[in-house]
Amino acid sequence: GAVVSQHPSRVICKSGTSVKIECRSLDFQATTMFWYRQFPKQSLMLMATSNEGSKATYEQGVEKDKFLINHASLTLSTLTVTSAHPEDSSFYICSARGGGERSYEQYFGPGTRLTVT
Amino acid sequence: GQNIDQPTEMTATEGAIVQINCTYQTSGFNGLFWYQQHAGEAPTFLSYNVLDGLEEKGRFSSFLSRSKGYSYLLLKELQMKDSASYLCAVRYSGAGSYQLTFGKGTKLSVIP
Repeated sequence: GAVVSQHPSRVICKSGTSVKIECRSLDFQATTMFWYRQFPKQSLMLMATSNEGSKATYEQGVEKDKFLINHASLTLSTLTVTSAHPEDSSFYICSARGGGERSYEQYFGPGTRLTVT
Repeated sequence: GQNIDQPTEMTATEGAIVQINCTYQTSGFNGLFWYQQHAGEAPTFLSYNVLDGLEEKGRFSSFLSRSKGYSYLLLKELQMKDSASYLCAVRYSGAGSYQLTFGKGTKLSVIP
Protein backbone atom coordinates (compact mmCIF):
# COMPACT_ATOMS: atom_id res chain seq x y z
CA GLY A 1 0.00 0.00 0.00
CA ALA A 2 0.90 3.64 -0.22
CA VAL A 3 3.29 5.08 2.35
CA VAL A 4 2.89 8.30 4.23
CA SER A 5 5.62 9.47 6.56
CA GLN A 6 5.55 12.02 9.36
CA HIS A 7 8.40 13.79 11.06
CA PRO A 8 9.10 14.03 13.90
CA SER A 9 7.45 11.03 15.54
CA ARG A 10 7.73 12.63 18.97
CA VAL A 11 8.44 16.16 20.05
CA ILE A 12 8.59 17.85 23.42
CA CYS A 13 8.56 21.63 23.45
CA LYS A 14 8.21 24.43 25.93
CA SER A 15 5.06 26.47 26.24
CA GLY A 16 5.09 29.45 23.89
CA THR A 17 7.32 27.91 21.24
CA SER A 18 6.30 26.74 17.77
CA VAL A 19 6.54 23.24 16.36
CA LYS A 20 6.48 22.14 12.74
CA ILE A 21 5.29 18.68 11.72
CA GLU A 22 5.94 17.35 8.23
CA CYS A 23 3.79 14.90 6.32
CA ARG A 24 5.07 13.30 3.14
CA SER A 25 3.53 10.91 0.66
CA LEU A 26 6.44 8.74 -0.40
CA ASP A 27 5.22 6.83 -3.44
CA PHE A 28 2.24 8.73 -4.76
CA GLN A 29 1.09 12.27 -5.37
CA ALA A 30 -1.34 13.42 -2.71
CA THR A 31 -3.89 15.78 -4.15
CA THR A 32 -5.52 16.15 -0.75
CA MET A 33 -4.03 15.92 2.71
CA PHE A 34 -5.85 15.86 6.01
CA TRP A 35 -4.68 16.71 9.50
CA TYR A 36 -6.25 15.02 12.51
CA ARG A 37 -5.80 15.32 16.22
CA GLN A 38 -6.46 12.55 18.69
CA PHE A 39 -6.63 12.96 22.45
CA PRO A 40 -6.20 9.90 24.70
CA LYS A 41 -9.04 7.40 24.44
CA GLN A 42 -10.87 9.57 21.93
CA SER A 43 -11.42 9.31 18.22
CA LEU A 44 -9.66 11.15 15.48
CA MET A 45 -10.91 14.67 15.02
CA LEU A 46 -10.40 16.31 11.66
CA MET A 47 -8.63 19.64 11.98
CA ALA A 48 -8.27 20.72 8.38
CA THR A 49 -8.27 19.63 4.78
CA SER A 50 -5.75 20.94 2.30
CA ASN A 51 -5.45 20.67 -1.44
CA GLU A 52 -2.11 21.26 -3.06
CA GLY A 53 -1.57 24.88 -3.93
CA SER A 54 -4.61 26.27 -2.17
CA LYS A 55 -5.51 27.40 1.32
CA ALA A 56 -6.52 24.81 3.86
CA THR A 57 -10.13 24.44 4.96
CA TYR A 58 -10.36 24.35 8.73
CA GLU A 59 -13.01 22.59 10.77
CA GLN A 60 -15.17 24.58 13.12
CA GLY A 61 -13.37 25.38 16.34
CA VAL A 62 -9.87 24.98 14.92
CA GLU A 63 -7.89 28.22 14.98
CA LYS A 64 -6.26 28.70 11.61
CA ASP A 65 -3.84 31.30 12.98
CA LYS A 66 -2.63 28.83 15.56
CA PHE A 67 -2.44 25.74 13.35
CA LEU A 68 -0.75 26.83 10.15
CA ILE A 69 -1.00 24.38 7.28
CA ASN A 70 1.03 24.55 4.13
CA HIS A 71 0.54 22.13 1.25
CA ALA A 72 3.18 23.45 -1.10
CA SER A 73 3.67 20.34 -3.20
CA LEU A 74 1.90 17.12 -4.11
CA THR A 75 4.08 15.18 -1.69
CA LEU A 76 4.49 17.48 1.29
CA SER A 77 2.21 19.18 3.78
CA THR A 78 3.29 20.83 7.01
CA LEU A 79 1.41 21.68 10.18
CA THR A 80 2.90 24.34 12.43
CA VAL A 81 1.55 24.67 15.94
CA THR A 82 2.32 28.24 16.89
CA SER A 83 2.73 29.43 20.47
CA ALA A 84 2.05 25.94 21.77
CA HIS A 85 0.40 25.45 25.15
CA PRO A 86 0.04 22.33 27.30
CA GLU A 87 -3.54 21.84 26.08
CA ASP A 88 -2.14 21.40 22.56
CA SER A 89 -0.43 18.21 23.70
CA SER A 90 -1.94 15.50 21.56
CA PHE A 91 -1.34 12.91 18.87
CA TYR A 92 -1.34 14.59 15.46
CA ILE A 93 -1.91 12.39 12.43
CA CYS A 94 -1.87 13.31 8.79
CA SER A 95 -3.40 11.37 5.97
CA ALA A 96 -3.10 11.67 2.25
CA ARG A 97 -5.28 10.80 -0.65
CA GLY A 98 -4.16 10.45 -4.22
CA GLY A 99 -6.04 10.15 -7.42
CA GLY A 100 -6.92 7.39 -9.81
CA GLU A 101 -8.49 4.07 -8.97
CA ARG A 102 -7.71 4.22 -5.27
CA SER A 103 -8.72 7.79 -4.64
CA TYR A 104 -11.27 6.60 -2.09
CA GLU A 105 -8.54 5.47 0.27
CA GLN A 106 -6.81 7.69 2.77
CA TYR A 107 -3.40 6.60 3.87
CA PHE A 108 -2.37 7.62 7.35
CA GLY A 109 1.02 8.67 8.54
CA PRO A 110 2.40 7.12 11.74
CA GLY A 111 1.49 10.17 13.81
CA THR A 112 3.41 12.74 15.84
CA ARG A 113 3.06 12.83 19.59
CA LEU A 114 3.40 16.42 20.80
CA THR A 115 4.02 17.18 24.45
CA VAL A 116 4.06 20.80 25.53
CA THR A 117 5.59 21.43 28.94
CA GLY B 1 -23.97 17.07 10.81
CA GLN B 2 -22.51 13.63 11.05
CA ASN B 3 -23.17 11.15 13.83
CA ILE B 4 -21.55 7.74 14.19
CA ASP B 5 -22.21 5.23 16.96
CA GLN B 6 -20.31 2.09 17.79
CA PRO B 7 -19.85 0.15 21.03
CA THR B 8 -17.08 1.38 23.27
CA GLU B 9 -15.59 -1.97 24.20
CA MET B 10 -15.92 -5.64 23.34
CA THR B 11 -14.21 -8.79 24.52
CA ALA B 12 -13.92 -12.01 22.57
CA THR B 13 -12.04 -15.28 22.79
CA GLU B 14 -9.12 -16.30 20.62
CA GLY B 15 -10.35 -18.34 17.65
CA ALA B 16 -13.90 -17.03 17.89
CA ILE B 17 -15.87 -14.68 15.65
CA VAL B 18 -16.80 -11.13 16.65
CA GLN B 19 -19.08 -8.59 14.99
CA ILE B 20 -18.60 -4.88 15.60
CA ASN B 21 -21.60 -2.76 14.67
CA CYS B 22 -21.69 0.82 13.50
CA THR B 23 -24.70 3.04 12.89
CA TYR B 24 -24.52 6.44 11.29
CA GLN B 25 -26.55 9.46 10.27
CA THR B 26 -24.98 11.68 7.66
CA SER B 27 -25.75 13.83 4.68
CA GLY B 28 -23.85 13.42 1.45
CA PHE B 29 -22.87 9.82 2.24
CA ASN B 30 -20.08 8.60 0.02
CA GLY B 31 -18.77 5.42 1.61
CA LEU B 32 -17.96 3.75 4.90
CA PHE B 33 -14.53 2.69 6.08
CA TRP B 34 -13.22 0.48 8.82
CA TYR B 35 -9.79 1.10 10.29
CA GLN B 36 -7.74 -0.76 12.86
CA GLN B 37 -5.71 1.24 15.34
CA HIS B 38 -3.28 -0.21 17.84
CA ALA B 39 -2.53 1.90 20.90
CA GLY B 40 -0.16 4.74 20.13
CA GLU B 41 -0.17 4.08 16.41
CA ALA B 42 -1.96 5.57 13.42
CA PRO B 43 -4.99 3.81 11.91
CA THR B 44 -4.56 1.28 9.16
CA PHE B 45 -7.12 0.71 6.43
CA LEU B 46 -9.21 -2.46 6.66
CA SER B 47 -12.17 -2.09 4.35
CA TYR B 48 -14.33 0.20 2.27
CA ASN B 49 -18.03 -0.15 1.40
CA VAL B 50 -19.95 2.21 -0.82
CA LEU B 51 -22.65 -0.16 -2.07
CA ASP B 52 -24.94 -2.36 0.00
CA GLY B 53 -23.72 -5.82 0.77
CA LEU B 54 -20.82 -7.78 2.14
CA GLU B 55 -17.17 -7.30 1.28
CA GLU B 56 -14.88 -10.12 2.31
CA LYS B 57 -11.14 -9.87 2.68
CA GLY B 58 -9.50 -12.82 4.38
CA ARG B 59 -10.50 -13.02 8.04
CA PHE B 60 -12.22 -9.65 7.85
CA SER B 61 -15.60 -8.88 6.28
CA SER B 62 -17.56 -5.66 6.23
CA PHE B 63 -21.25 -5.17 5.55
CA LEU B 64 -23.20 -2.05 4.62
CA SER B 65 -26.89 -1.19 4.48
CA ARG B 66 -27.28 2.39 3.32
CA SER B 67 -31.05 2.45 3.87
CA LYS B 68 -30.56 1.50 7.51
CA GLY B 69 -27.44 3.58 8.08
CA TYR B 70 -25.76 0.46 9.38
CA SER B 71 -22.51 -1.38 8.95
CA TYR B 72 -20.66 -4.13 10.71
CA LEU B 73 -17.13 -5.47 10.72
CA LEU B 74 -16.83 -9.22 11.16
CA LEU B 75 -13.57 -10.72 12.38
CA LYS B 76 -13.14 -14.49 12.13
CA GLU B 77 -10.60 -16.82 13.72
CA LEU B 78 -9.61 -14.15 16.19
CA GLN B 79 -5.96 -13.84 17.05
CA MET B 80 -4.37 -12.10 20.02
CA LYS B 81 -2.88 -9.51 17.66
CA ASP B 82 -6.42 -8.45 16.71
CA SER B 83 -6.67 -6.70 20.07
CA ALA B 84 -6.97 -3.07 18.98
CA SER B 85 -9.46 -0.28 18.47
CA TYR B 86 -11.65 -0.54 15.40
CA LEU B 87 -12.80 2.74 13.94
CA CYS B 88 -15.87 3.15 11.77
CA ALA B 89 -15.57 6.18 9.51
CA VAL B 90 -18.07 7.70 7.13
CA ARG B 91 -17.02 9.63 4.06
CA TYR B 92 -19.23 12.49 3.03
CA SER B 93 -19.17 15.39 0.62
CA GLY B 94 -18.27 18.67 2.24
CA ALA B 95 -16.21 21.82 1.73
CA GLY B 96 -15.70 20.98 -1.92
CA SER B 97 -14.02 17.71 -1.10
CA TYR B 98 -14.65 14.35 0.51
CA GLN B 99 -14.03 14.13 4.23
CA LEU B 100 -14.07 11.39 6.81
CA THR B 101 -15.81 11.50 10.14
CA PHE B 102 -14.69 8.89 12.62
CA GLY B 103 -16.65 7.11 15.29
CA LYS B 104 -15.12 6.92 18.74
CA GLY B 105 -13.84 3.44 18.09
CA THR B 106 -14.51 0.04 19.60
CA LYS B 107 -11.76 -1.33 21.76
CA LEU B 108 -11.59 -5.07 21.17
CA SER B 109 -9.82 -7.27 23.67
CA VAL B 110 -9.04 -10.81 22.56
CA ILE B 111 -8.51 -13.19 25.46
CA PRO B 112 -6.99 -16.69 25.42
